[in-house]
Amino acid sequence: EVQLVQSGAEVKKPGESLKISCKGSGYSFTSYWIGWVRQMPGKGLEWMGIIYPGDSDTRYSPSFQGQVTISADKSISTAYLQWSSLKASDTAMYYCARREISSGWYYFDYWGQGTLVTVSS
Amino acid sequence: QSVLTQPPSASGTPGQRVTISCSGSSSNIGSNTVNWYQQLPGTAPKLLIYSNNQRPSGVPDRFSGSKSGTSASLAISGLQSEDEADYYCAAWDDSLNGLFGGGTKLTVL
Repeated sequence: EVQLVQSGAEVKKPGESLKISCKGSGYSFTSYWIGWVRQMPGKGLEWMGIIYPGDSDTRYSPSFQGQVTISADKSISTAYLQWSSLKASDTAMYYCARREISSGWYYFDYWGQGTLVTVSS
Repeated sequence: QSVLTQPPSASGTPGQRVTISCSGSSSNIGSNTVNWYQQLPGTAPKLLIYSNNQRPSGVPDRFSGSKSGTSASLAISGLQSEDEADYYCAAWDDSLNGLFGGGTKLTVL
């Protein structure tokens, strides 16, 4: 059974750093891209970026380039999303999702349960 | 403002058929397929339709998708109370950046 299990909720202060995780199981972790999606309180979904754990090739949405870092450790089947200096506006639910390909077209077929990040002084 | 445009809300009574639209451009929907996700309250999004009109295993055939030009639609027939959720269209642009619509909140009256 394919599963993406994310790390638990975090409460941080502005300016602090943070790294959240997404552990894949039940499939070949190095063969599928993993994406990250932000959902601010009461708002819609926003695509942040994506990584291919097989070779760590990473793409960022222009809106998030330079704001976050996406990485992966294939030895433990885990992808990461990190911030070096959090802002209050980073308060949101963050989801990881596996990107599948069918007949040349992409979609997110499995999603993690989400990690709630709260940034407040 | 999302690049893919959806109506913020939709509603219907049990048993009715409702449709949700998603409008894009030639660089996203016009040249790539559309996916739809359902997000029930307090839960993670779930894949509902992929590649314009394909249903993953387990998704009832009450849900259907279509695409024409730079627009797409999600149709739900035989509306049920458990269909009350937020629905998002999604596509990739020509640079392979992911795009989501702003979401449509479906209310079952």
